[in-house]
Amino acid sequence: AQSVAQPEDQVNVAEGNPLTVKCTYSVSGNPYLFWYVQYPNRGLQFLLKYITGDNLVKGSYGFEAEFNKSQTSFHLKKPSALVSDSALYFCAVRDPTSGGYQKVTFGTGTKLQVIP
Amino acid sequence: GAVVSQHPSWVICKSGTSVKIECRSLDFQATTMFWYRQFPKQSLMLMATSNEGSKATYEQGVEKDKFLINHASLTLSTLTVTSAHPEDSSFYICSARPGTGVGEQYFGPGTRLTVT
Repeated sequence: AQSVAQPEDQVNVAEGNPLTVKCTYSVSGNPYLFWYVQYPNRGLQFLLKYITGDNLVKGSYGFEAEFNKSQTSFHLKKPSALVSDSALYFCAVRDPTSGGYQKVTFGTGTKLQVIP
Repeated sequence: GAVVSQHPSWVICKSGTSVKIECRSLDFQATTMFWYRQFPKQSLMLMATSNEGSKATYEQGVEKDKFLINHASLTLSTLTVTSAHPEDSSFYICSARPGTGVGEQYFGPGTRLTVT
């Protein structure tokens, strides 16, 4: 079975400071990993993904994430936080060897609050 | 590109009535679509996965006779909540995976259902 853990319910960071939102995963094979962002009363927006290749993945709005196989982590990062980055962030994992519809498992979400 | 729409964005209905929610992929063909339910401050709960032209696969604990899913075409899936109860009140989100489904899902903006 696949699973995702986001250990922090909320992360507070001052505007202009670097931010990190943590994610660890568990799958039996090599994972597909995703980050999504959700603004209030909205659906999720895709930020970035790791499928294969370079461990550092760059995505939308200046976000990036680093795949670390030994630590089974896929932390989301941004060098300089903006107030507009305040939202709910979800990490997700998919096991491409799972067969069937290869459903995605989402973490519980981390609320990012950027303080002006 | 990769836009998913949902209609309606919000709906209020009386107990015992049925409500249909539409999910459309506007600029791509979606072989697979997913329906999620999201409770306040909680992660997404996958309800069912549907492939075009075949029966939906429901997650454990989701009543298939209550939540009817029809994936009629490669761009349209519908979720019908039958005999709605107040406990069905929630935020329902659909997503679509384009093509062969190697990559990410694209999410609709969600539908807020309130059952009175």
